[in-house]
Amino acid sequence: AQSVTQLGSHVSVSEGALVLLRCNYSSSVPPYLFWYVQYPNQGLQLLLKYTSAATLVKGINGFEAEFKKSETSFHLTKPSAHMSDAAEYFCAVTRLNQGGKLIFGQGTELSVKP
Amino acid sequence: DTAVSQTPKYLVTQMGNDKSIKCEQNLGHDTMYWYKQDSKKFLKIMFSYNNKELIINETVPNRFSPKSPDKAHLNLHINSLELGDSAVYFCASGPGTYNYGYTFGSGTRLTVV
Repeated sequence: AQSVTQLGSHVSVSEGALVLLRCNYSSSVPPYLFWYVQYPNQGLQLLLKYTSAATLVKGINGFEAEFKKSETSFHLTKPSAHMSDAAEYFCAVTRLNQGGKLIFGQGTELSVKP
Repeated sequence: DTAVSQTPKYLVTQMGNDKSIKCEQNLGHDTMYWYKQDSKKFLKIMFSYNNKELIINETVPNRFSPKSPDKAHLNLHINSLELGDSAVYFCASGPGTYNYGYTFGSGTRLTVV
């Protein structure tokens, strides 16, 4: 069975500091991995995705994530946090032949201090 | 134009009532989904339809019945609402049953009192 674990339900950084949100997955077959962002009272927006091409994936708003098979990780980073990055972030996994079903992690709330 | 639109945005109703949530997408996608987000923000898939055919039914109570009149619409009807049904329900659509990241609607916050 597949699963996703996000380490830390809440992360707080200062504006301009590095953002690191951790995601580890469990999958018996090559996974497809995603990061989504949810702003308050809004739906989820796709930040980036890994679909077995390049292991370093660049997304929107300056975010990127690196797929590390040996560590079963897909951590999300951004070099310099902006106040507008404050939101809930979700890591998700799926694989082929799952009908597009996404399995989500429990989410990490990112706070950005001035 | 909103890509995936859900109505209503908020829904407050009493236990035992029947209610529907509507979803429409104008992206030309073949696959549509319903996800439930609980009070702890945990997201779980409920259903998916591919071109009007049910693909995923994720052990959801029979009180929940999805209906897809065409591939651009996926509605969710809930009978005999219970307190535990209170949640945010998200509709989403994608280009196929393989997943390259789909587009979510803005959600319907259902509160059962």
